[in-house]
Amino acid sequence: GQQLNQSPQSMFIQEGEDVSMNCTSSSIFNTWLWYKQDPGEGPVLLIALYKAGELTSNGRLTAQFGITRKDSFLNISASIPSDVGIYFCAGQRQGGSEKLVFGKGTKLTVNP
Amino acid sequence: NAGVMQNPRHLVRRRGQEARLRCSPMKGHSHVYWYRQLPEEGLKFMVYLQKENIIDESGMPKERFSAEFPKEGPSILRIQQVVRGDSAAYFCASSPDLEDTQYFGPGTRLTVL
Repeated sequence: GQQLNQSPQSMFIQEGEDVSMNCTSSSIFNTWLWYKQDPGEGPVLLIALYKAGELTSNGRLTAQFGITRKDSFLNISASIPSDVGIYFCAGQRQGGSEKLVFGKGTKLTVNP
Repeated sequence: NAGVMQNPRHLVRRRGQEARLRCSPMKGHSHVYWYRQLPEEGLKFMVYLQKENIIDESGMPKERFSAEFPKEGPSILRIQQVVRGDSAAYFCASSPDLEDTQYFGPGTRLTVL
């Protein structure tokens, strides 16, 4: 099955630094979502994007839905130790009640 | 409002046995999705069900795997005659009518010996 291309695969940063990760696809998605997964847990939704060009913030997190509808990025500003985890992008082709296609994840490590 | 519940959280089976994974969606949610996650991988869609109906099973292996979401009770993902390659984390998500967001459960980690 298809997966989204997510990069980088892993990141090691110092506390206080900003982080950026992105996701690309060869086909169009009408909804982009960013999830965070802690060890031994299920993914938790961080940000949902429904409109091409949309820029949405949630606290220190900012995500954008690319104009071409084939990409999205997530920024985390002023990282803190609890930001550690695996971040996944996910897309839905049509929106509504439909399966999610996931990226392989970006593993973030924050050094205090 | 309790979140999506999955049980068991961990399940160990020997090759050839059956595995039954249960998912109770959030209250008021009638849409259930099952995903599988291999180590170091993203989640991969398996099946989407509404009450008593399978809507999309395009990600489900054709043999040994089945899913149901009865009128009463949890959704069940059933794996017959498990093999080592079935070892993975299985996640259930649910969503209500008229809303896109899928809320995930904590997962069931299946280990096949």
